[in-house]
Amino acid sequence: DQQVKQNSPSLSVQEGRISILNCDYTNSMFDYFLWYKKYPAEGPTFLISISSIKDKNEDGRFTVFLNKSAKHLSLHIVPSQPGDSAVYFCAAKDGGAGSYQLTFGKGTKLSVIP
Amino acid sequence: DGGITQSPKYLFRKEGQNVTLSCEQNLNHDAMYWYRQDPGQGLRLIYYSQIVNDFQKGDIAEGYSVSREKKESFPLTVTSAQKNPTAFYLCASSIDSGPRETQYFGPGTRLLVL
Repeated sequence: DQQVKQNSPSLSVQEGRISILNCDYTNSMFDYFLWYKKYPAEGPTFLISISSIKDKNEDGRFTVFLNKSAKHLSLHIVPSQPGDSAVYFCAAKDGGAGSYQLTFGKGTKLSVIP
Repeated sequence: DGGITQSPKYLFRKEGQNVTLSCEQNLNHDAMYWYRQDPGQGLRLIYYSQIVNDFQKGDIAEGYSVSREKKESFPLTVTSAQKNPTAFYLCASSIDSGPRETQYFGPGTRLLVL
């Protein structure tokens, strides 16, 4: 039973345009969410996080939006650059019990076309 | 220059053989983790350690063992009992295992079975 779902395996975007990566979750106990970026044969790199007490967090070109009622979050990258081409993983944490546990989605492969 | 190192980058295992993957961090983090990634899948937690001399099983611990004798080191042994060991193994650490702590990842080790 997948608790974190990234329903789009891949996404292609023109350079300079906005990239929107989506993530849905089913566990209402999740209260902290993270996005990681991963290049092939490398470890994931932390990008940005958001706590459930917020609905938006921004860091440079990256913004994460959280809609708790819909159990949905999204990562916006503006403007998209060719170096953003990678696999993006959404991860969620239940801060109550078992706070060590990060639950990952299967990832979305972003391709930014020059 | 702080970070997480994993060695080797590639590792080959023969049938019936135990192999050990190294993970070292100089970030002074208390918590360390081992994940496994299979093609097209998210990361799944194998083992985690919140503090020296303590570790707990994750979702897929069968066929694996760990030790945490030093704060900076968390080696993972893939035993012969692990029937499908071919995967990309990722080590991570965080300041502690608190609900808002971000996990940072090493570069990974790819294990292949001969």
